[in-house]
Amino acid sequence: GENVEQHPSTLSVQEGDSAVIKCTYSDSASNYFPWYKQELGKRPQLIIDIRSNVGEKKDQRIAVTLNKTAKHFSLHITETQPEDSAVYFCAASGSYIPTFGRGTSLIVHP
Amino acid sequence: KAGVTQTPRYLIKTRGQQVTLSCSPISGHRSVSWYQQTPGQGLQFLFEYFSETQRNKGNFPGRFSGRQFSNSRSEMNVSTLELGDSALYLCASSLEALSPATDTQYFGPGTRLTVL
Repeated sequence: GENVEQHPSTLSVQEGDSAVIKCTYSDSASNYFPWYKQELGKRPQLIIDIRSNVGEKKDQRIAVTLNKTAKHFSLHITETQPEDSAVYFCAASGSYIPTFGRGTSLIVHP
Repeated sequence: KAGVTQTPRYLIKTRGQQVTLSCSPISGHRSVSWYQQTPGQGLQFLFEYFSETQRNKGNFPGRFSGRQFSNSRSEMNVSTLELGDSALYLCASSLEALSPATDTQYFGPGTRLTVL
């Protein structure tokens, strides 16, 4: 089955810095890669996703890149703000069962 | 549209008991998936229902079961509860079944189950 590794598990940055979270996957058939943000005590919410026919996607301060050859994808957050503090999950889906990374706790210090 | 709702939000049970959790998807969504979230294991896929049929199943014991009704509402049941079943149980809905083309999943707020 699919295996998704996510790094780092914790990321601490200063407000205004950039943050990068990386995920690798094992199943070359995976072709959909969503990213979710989960604030403390709240539900996971989709923040951005990318499909395998695209190498990069941006939405304001958030971008995701995908390298299918190397089987890794990354989340980039620029100009971080304290409200970006949350746990971020990546996922890979190609069969019918999505596999999630274990999450990255992002802490943005004011 | 109203979001995904789950009831109850919190539940405390003792070992050996059984529990039923409920999930109401976004109106028009036909696929409902269930996940177990724990600090150590992250988000683990339990099963997915589409048109009242279980289409996909994760790697959980038979004590975990579910069903979906004709209005797409879904329930999951855990029998003979164990301490390790303590977790946040999330359901997510999407328009169609999870597929390689894939629809976005929308999560509910979860049910926090504590087994004593």
